[in-house]
Amino acid sequence: EPEVTQTPSHQVTQMGQEVILRCVPISNHLYFYWYRQILGQKVEFLVSFYNNEISEKSEIFDDQFSVERPDGSNFTLKIRSTKLEDSAMYFCASSGPSGSTDTQYFGPGTRLTVL
Amino acid sequence: DQQVKQNSPSLRVQEGRISILNCDYTNSMFDYFLWYKKYPAEGPTFLISISSIKDKNEDGRFTVFLNKSAKHLSLHIVPSQPGDSAVYFCAAQSGSQGNLIFGKGTKLSVKP
Repeated sequence: EPEVTQTPSHQVTQMGQEVILRCVPISNHLYFYWYRQILGQKVEFLVSFYNNEISEKSEIFDDQFSVERPDGSNFTLKIRSTKLEDSAMYFCASSGPSGSTDTQYFGPGTRLTVL
Repeated sequence: DQQVKQNSPSLRVQEGRISILNCDYTNSMFDYFLWYKKYPAEGPTFLISISSIKDKNEDGRFTVFLNKSAKHLSLHIVPSQPGDSAVYFCAAQSGSQGNLIFGKGTKLSVKP
């Protein structure tokens, strides 16, 4: 069964450093998302991406964040200058073409630890 | 502001009995409601969804009920199995490709 994959599973970085989190969505999906979950809190939406551009973003997704689909398979989230409060699980999700059952399927997540 | 609320942080159920997980929402414009299950160190796994124009959707042991007038939905699992033990998240969505707004989750423990 097709699945969303994410790398790395765990990333440790120093405050102020740039990180890139990688995702490979399900191959025929067209819509891509990033969410995060700070420890003990709810899963929060960051950004959605369709047709090579951002379709929606939350207040969390400020100028320090960017997303890219550099080729036909990868979808990346970049944090330019990490802060301690960026420590969280980051989940990538994808969904298919428009229809009535456009379920978002999630990857296993990347645990980001900012020291 | 909490648009999606799961007021019970945990629920313990005996194997074979029914598990009922509850969720309330505030925005009457949501089009879809979804339930995800999450194990530790894994991503959320889709379970079942319901459109706002329906009041019930069933898939095997899982049934979701929607009460639009009360802005309330519930997930019924029957019979409950130990493998169902996980955190269950309720989520709401505007439009078929909109972002998901999650509740805080309910940790279900099913004891043999």
